[in-house]
Amino acid sequence: DVKVTQSSRYLVKRTGEKVFLECVQDMDHENMFWYRQDPGLGLRLIYFSYDVKMKEKGDIPEGYSVSREKKERFSLILESASTNQTSMYLCASSPPGAPFTDTQYFGPGTRLTVL
Amino acid sequence: AQSVTQPDIHITVSEGASLELRCNYSYGATPYLFWYVQSPGQGLQLLLKYFSGDTLVQGIKGFEAEFKRSQSSFNLRKPSVHWSDAAEYFCAVGARSGNTGKLIFGQGTTLQVKP
Repeated sequence: DVKVTQSSRYLVKRTGEKVFLECVQDMDHENMFWYRQDPGLGLRLIYFSYDVKMKEKGDIPEGYSVSREKKERFSLILESASTNQTSMYLCASSPPGAPFTDTQYFGPGTRLTVL
Repeated sequence: AQSVTQPDIHITVSEGASLELRCNYSYGATPYLFWYVQSPGQGLQLLLKYFSGDTLVQGIKGFEAEFKRSQSSFNLRKPSVHWSDAAEYFCAVGARSGNTGKLIFGQGTTLQVKP
């Protein structure tokens, strides 16, 4: 089975802190994604990566950056956390090919609270 | 613009009753359609997907969905709901665009199951 793990289930940070959310997948998938989930808005794509060191902006990249130095790991970085970034963050991966037309496998999520 | 609409934010059904969750999409080409389920505190899990072929698709946990091109719909059904089906359900459409694309999620439908 594909396994996608995220470094923390719950995280509390203060405004202005730099925050790192880590995601690791064990299925050698090329494609990895970071989503933000808010009530009533569904999932919104922040960034995705289709190869090591490659990244593409999603719908809501402002205030976020990403890093993919190794194939299995995709990090989301909040350079200076703000209260409006309080949310559930979901990481996903998918097999090689067109990144949005195949099954995505999701991690359990990180619920981030910014005070 | 591409979009997915789940008209029902919250649905309550009795255990053993039938279930239908609605999903309408807007997309110009042949869509790649997905239903995901999110149990409390968990990431998303794929229930079923439609790419082409038979418009009635069988998934896991006894769910099925029917693609109706004329109605731009991909409704999810289950003949007899179990208490463990209580969760949030997301419909999504995968839209290819060259080497990239987008997975667009609906707002989600929360299912409550009464004993």
